[in-house]
Amino acid sequence: DVKVTQSSRYLVKRTGEKVFLECVQDMDHENMFWYRQDPGLGLRLIYFSYDVKMKEKGDIPEGYSVSREKKERFSLILESASTNQTSMYLCASSSSPASAFQETQYFGPGTRLLVL
Amino acid sequence: DQQVKQNSPSLSVQEGRISILNCDYTNSMFDYFLWYKKYPAEGPTFLISISSIKDKNEDGRFTVFLNKSAKHLSLHIVPSQPGDSAVYFCAASRGGATNKLIFGTGTLLAVQP
Repeated sequence: DVKVTQSSRYLVKRTGEKVFLECVQDMDHENMFWYRQDPGLGLRLIYFSYDVKMKEKGDIPEGYSVSREKKERFSLILESASTNQTSMYLCASSSSPASAFQETQYFGPGTRLLVL
Repeated sequence: DQQVKQNSPSLSVQEGRISILNCDYTNSMFDYFLWYKKYPAEGPTFLISISSIKDKNEDGRFTVFLNKSAKHLSLHIVPSQPGDSAVYFCAASRGGATNKLIFGTGTLLAVQP
């Protein structure tokens, strides 16, 4: 059973703080992703990584950075938190597909971040 | 530019009836489509998928239909159950090793007992 865990379910931070969100997967997946979910906007991709130390910008990378030092761990960093980063953050992982039928992403439970 | 659209933010259905959730896309390069289900305070879970070489895929109570010419897919749930009440996201992929998915905005399904 694939398991993706996120370090916190709820976080409250102040504007300007540096925030770390951690994600760990136990299925030896190559790909890892960070999304944010906002009402009416669905899931939007922030960053993804397809290998250790590799990262690619998603659709909304501004204000975020990521780190992938180990295959199982993918961290999202808010360098200076702002109120518009209040959101639900979701981490996901997937294996590199050998075919189009292997593209399922497995999600963690999410971290609800409130920036005051 | 919303490449994957779910135009109905919410849908209410009676238990035992059919639920039909719709999704439209604009990018003809998408070749794989998925539906995810999300309960409050949980991450999305994979429900069903379909490749662009097919027009229908069925898994128990869930069937996904793909109309490539109309760039439209739909999820049918028959019969609907109260436990199906959740937000449903459709997603599309262009394939490739990086496995990037483009998600729709979601439809909240409420199944009334």
